[in-house]
Amino acid sequence: QQPVQSPQAVILREGEDAVINCSSSKALYSVHWYRQKHGEAPIFLMILLKGGEQKGHDKISASFNEKKQQSSLYLTASQLSYSGTYFCGTEGRGSNYKLTFGKGTLLTVNP
Amino acid sequence: NAGVTQTPKFRILKIGQSMTLQCTQDMNHNYMYWYRQDPGMGLKLIYYSVGAGITDKGEVPNGYNVSRSTTEDFPLRLELAAPSQTSVYFCASSDPGTGGTGELFFGEGSRLTVL
Repeated sequence: QQPVQSPQAVILREGEDAVINCSSSKALYSVHWYRQKHGEAPIFLMILLKGGEQKGHDKISASFNEKKQQSSLYLTASQLSYSGTYFCGTEGRGSNYKLTFGKGTLLTVNP
Repeated sequence: NAGVTQTPKFRILKIGQSMTLQCTQDMNHNYMYWYRQDPGMGLKLIYYSVGAGITDKGEVPNGYNVSRSTTEDFPLRLELAAPSQTSVYFCASSDPGTGGTGELFFGEGSRLTVL
């Protein structure tokens, strides 16, 4: 079942912060985050494997609440290059290494 | 490294025609996937493969077929093309060695239009 992402779209000014949420109705083994720019392929950001785990690099981080089957992506001090569509992909327990993607969140960062 | 290579990048088909989208990866990944992406709908899994000779259906397999005779290649066949198959198709591969699916490496995509 497709995970639900919120918000569907967000507009920021450079330097502002944003949070993108991903929620699933099934028990999860992992959550992935990808960013896609218009006309390009999705690019991997990070995988979260354990409950409560938080990972990140640079000013982008994420958390994974295994009990609530939810993940959040945090973008801090946004840069123009952060613009794009963000997708979460969820892997259910026993799903044989299949990722199910949400519909995406369109993030626009303006100067 | 070429990574994941898809051909063709663009194609226009007439209703009822058939074609094959090619996908090759040079990372020796066992897992390969085909997704389709429609505007506002995210990526939908069509078929996937966990190794040569092993394939399985994803969420939206109807109208498609796959084969996996080698580790490198995972072609997607469209039989009797329909307008509903107009989409952007992405091939991806991964190495699940560390647990879970592992990072997906995507090809650049193939934009297919059925008229």
